[in-house]
Amino acid sequence: QVQLVESGGGVVQPGRSLRLSCAASGFTFSSYAMHWVRQAPGKGLEWVAVISYDGGHKYSTGSVEGRFTISRDNSKNTLFLQMNSLRAEDTALYYCARSSGDPRSPLDYWGQGTLVTVSS
Amino acid sequence: ENVLTQSPGTLSLSPGERATLSCRASQSVSSTYLAWYQLKPGQAPRLLIYAASIRATGIPDRFSGSGSGTDFTLTISRVEPEDFAVYFCQQYGSSPYTFGQGTKLEIK
Repeated sequence: QVQLVESGGGVVQPGRSLRLSCAASGFTFSSYAMHWVRQAPGKGLEWVAVISYDGGHKYSTGSVEGRFTISRDNSKNTLFLQMNSLRAEDTALYYCARSSGDPRSPLDYWGQGTLVTVSS
Repeated sequence: ENVLTQSPGTLSLSPGERATLSCRASQSVSSTYLAWYQLKPGQAPRLLIYAASIRATGIPDRFSGSGSGTDFTLTISRVEPEDFAVYFCQQYGSSPYTFGQGTKLEIK
């Protein structure tokens, strides 16, 4: 069955960096676009970034552009989110999710999330 | 950025009642690119509806989606106890792929 398992979250000081990972199994990872979505405490879902199946196309929301980088290693079935210059407002539960082929597809499977807390 | 506004913020219903949730976009969305998700505490979000009206795999037929342009609706024909949760709409046609702020369906 499809499994997405996020890791790498934790408590980090403002201005520091963190790298999230998402290990995928149960499907052909290299055929799917992958997304990061976050949920701040008590808030709704916020789409963060997407990467195409081959890594050739990447898009992200404005609040993270220039600070966060999405990438993938298809040989290891793993998705990454490199987060630099972290701010308090980046505190959230970060989910990875897949969508089929074209990044413009619904997110049909999601992980359970990894919690990032940015605090001094 | 296409801003999605959901209403109501909270919907209080009894099991067996009909639920109607609204999602309004600030810019037109092709029906192909509108989805609904369900989120329960401690669980991964679940895809319910995509392309505005197509039920995802395994979703009961009491869930239905409709709409076009800027106005979309998720309807639960008869709410079951397991349906009390938060529901989000999302447009995935143009980046950033924005979500609405959510509608909480709570037990009355």
